[in-house]
Amino acid sequence: AQSVAQPEDQVNVAEGNPLTVKCTYSVSGNPYLFWYVQYPNRGLQFLLKYITGDNLVKGSYGFEAEFNKSQTSFHLKKPSALVSDSALYFCAVRELSRGSTLGRLYFGRGTQLTVWP
Amino acid sequence: NAGVTQTPKFQVLKTGQSMTLQCAQDMNHEYMSWYRQDPGMGLRLIHYSVGAGITDQGEVPNGYNVSRSTTEDFPLRLLSAAPSQTSVYFCASSYSNPGTGGETQYFGPGTRLLVL
Repeated sequence: AQSVAQPEDQVNVAEGNPLTVKCTYSVSGNPYLFWYVQYPNRGLQFLLKYITGDNLVKGSYGFEAEFNKSQTSFHLKKPSALVSDSALYFCAVRELSRGSTLGRLYFGRGTQLTVWP
Repeated sequence: NAGVTQTPKFQVLKTGQSMTLQCAQDMNHEYMSWYRQDPGMGLRLIHYSVGAGITDQGEVPNGYNVSRSTTEDFPLRLLSAAPSQTSVYFCASSYSNPGTGGETQYFGPGTRLLVL
């Protein structure tokens, strides 16, 4: 079973509008959830993560994400999109090895966000 | 700090050739990993290391070897390149295993490899 899913390959929004990039997960135990961003021809950069605590997590560049346990989702949001937000966004989830405290991260396939001026 | 550095940035190989992708970090991170990125596939873990002298396989290890003789360096070796290894390769590091403690990973700029 896929541990993390990003159901949209592409998201297009107009500058100034709110944006949402969706992520759902399927892991046993308490999930650790991450969002990373990749600008063209660059490596991934960390945006934010949920480990424990408040369900609403605030990160870099005005992004935030809400952990929803009942819907097993961790959608990335921003109230007002910028053209410079155009990039590839990856959601990642930690999954523990069975009967162990060791785990590894699984990345989603990525969502290409395009913000139109 | 330079962070995570990777060389080369781009490489073209013929089938059967060997090469080493270099990765270095200057943050004294114990955990280092190699990923490959393919269109529509996201990032897949090739190999990882939890410290000098300790390595283990990830999701797609076949055709790749690694070693970790120092904390700073984590080279990835392709012994006999195949067209299926055409990809973008990213090295990443963190203080500890992000799959265990939720550590933030720092990524290098990537190496784009084309195998003909």
